Amino acid sequence: GENVEQHPSTLSVQEGDSAVIKCTYSDSASNYFPWYKQELGKRPQLIIDIRSNVGEKKDQRIAVTLNKTAKHFSLHITETQPEDSAVYFCAASITGTASKLTFGTGTRLQVTL
Amino acid sequence: GAVVSQHPSWVICKSGTSVKIECRSLDFQATTMFWYRQFPKQSLMLMATSNEGSKATYEQGVEKDKFLINHASLTLSTLTVTSAHPEDSSFYICSAEGGTGGTDTQYFGPGTRLTVL
Repeated sequence: GENVEQHPSTLSVQEGDSAVIKCTYSDSASNYFPWYKQELGKRPQLIIDIRSNVGEKKDQRIAVTLNKTAKHFSLHITETQPEDSAVYFCAASITGTASKLTFGTGTRLQVTL
Repeated sequence: GAVVSQHPSWVICKSGTSVKIECRSLDFQATTMFWYRQFPKQSLMLMATSNEGSKATYEQGVEKDKFLINHASLTLSTLTVTSAHPEDSSFYICSAEGGTGGTDTQYFGPGTRLTVL
């Protein structure tokens, strides 16, 4: 089955700096890669996703890059703000009927003033 | 639409009782819903895939007789924890596939915190 590794497990940045979280996946058939943000005690919220026919996708301060050959994808947050502090999870799946997500272990991002 | 609700948000029960958790997609139809379990400071662990009108598919190691799943309509899936024990205490989260993100995109409910005494 699919295995997703995520690094780092914790990340502390100063407000205004950039943050980068990296994930690798094992199944070359995976073609859908979402990123979720989860605040303490809350639901995971989809913040951005990318499909394997695209190498990069951007949405305001958030961007995701995908390297299919190396089987890794990354989340980039620019101009970080205190409200970006949360746990971020990457995931991978093979699209189709009832496509199961395999999640990474999560990255706790702390944005300090 | 991409709103998923879950009820109850928290529940405390005695050991040996059963607890039912509801997951609803409020503004879209979801043929497929998923049930996850999350321990403190850990990732989401998929328990089962719930398909409307058919039996759920359970992940390896998840007891289907203990965690009963019913997906009777395109907007409702239920998870019943039968004969609950303290080790079943956890945060249970459902997700529904579809909505504005299209196929494959999962939107999550707010979760249910179960405490078994």
